Amino acid sequence: EVQLVQSGGGLVQPGRSLRVSCAASGFTFDDFAMHWVRQAPGKGLEWVAHITWNSATTAYADSVKGRFTISRDNAKNSLYLQMNSLRPEDTALYFCARDRTGLGGWYFDLWGRGTLVTVSS
Amino acid sequence: EVEMTQSPATLSVSPGERATLSCRASQSVSSNLAWYQQKPGQAPRLLMYGISIRATDTPARFSGSGSGTEFTLTISIVQSDDFAVYYCQQYNKWPPYTFGQGTKLEIK
Repeated sequence: EVQLVQSGGGLVQPGRSLRVSCAASGFTFDDFAMHWVRQAPGKGLEWVAHITWNSATTAYADSVKGRFTISRDNAKNSLYLQMNSLRPEDTALYFCARDRTGLGGWYFDLWGRGTLVTVSS
Repeated sequence: EVEMTQSPATLSVSPGERATLSCRASQSVSSNLAWYQQKPGQAPRLLMYGISIRATDTPARFSGSGSGTEFTLTISIVQSDDFAVYYCQQYNKWPPYTFGQGTKLEIK
């Protein structure tokens, strides 16, 4: 089955770090760029970060630049988001999503179910 | 940054009626426009891309139209399974990829 399975969310204090993961199966992971998209409680969708198939290029939303790092391990068919210096406004459901191509810049044709990150003291 | 604005915020229709959802971009996004459907407690699902191309498994009652900065998602005959939140997204000029704020399609 073609799917993205997410893990690693939870409750974390402001200023601390957390890493969320996304495991791909059922397709050739290193054929595709990948993204992280988040959704604050009761709000809309906000794109967070993007990584090309070979990790050569990454891009970030201004709201997370310098604090979050997207990475991937193609040997493990896995995508990661390392989140440092977390703020209460980072509280959201984090989705991983597959880009239509290896370089990115297209629509997102497969989504994980999301993992909840709550930043609170 | 390309801003995407959707209207209305909430659309109330009865099953069997037609629904028309709008999306406006702050600058031209060419044909690089997608629509997603999100039901409560679920991930978004790709509905349409390239303005009017239905994704795999998207029923034919869904259609997309528009150009440049003005786009429309139409559901010809709304069914009970269609009540959800719909988001438009541009992928023409990035980063960032930007979404509209969503239109909630609710039962009248």
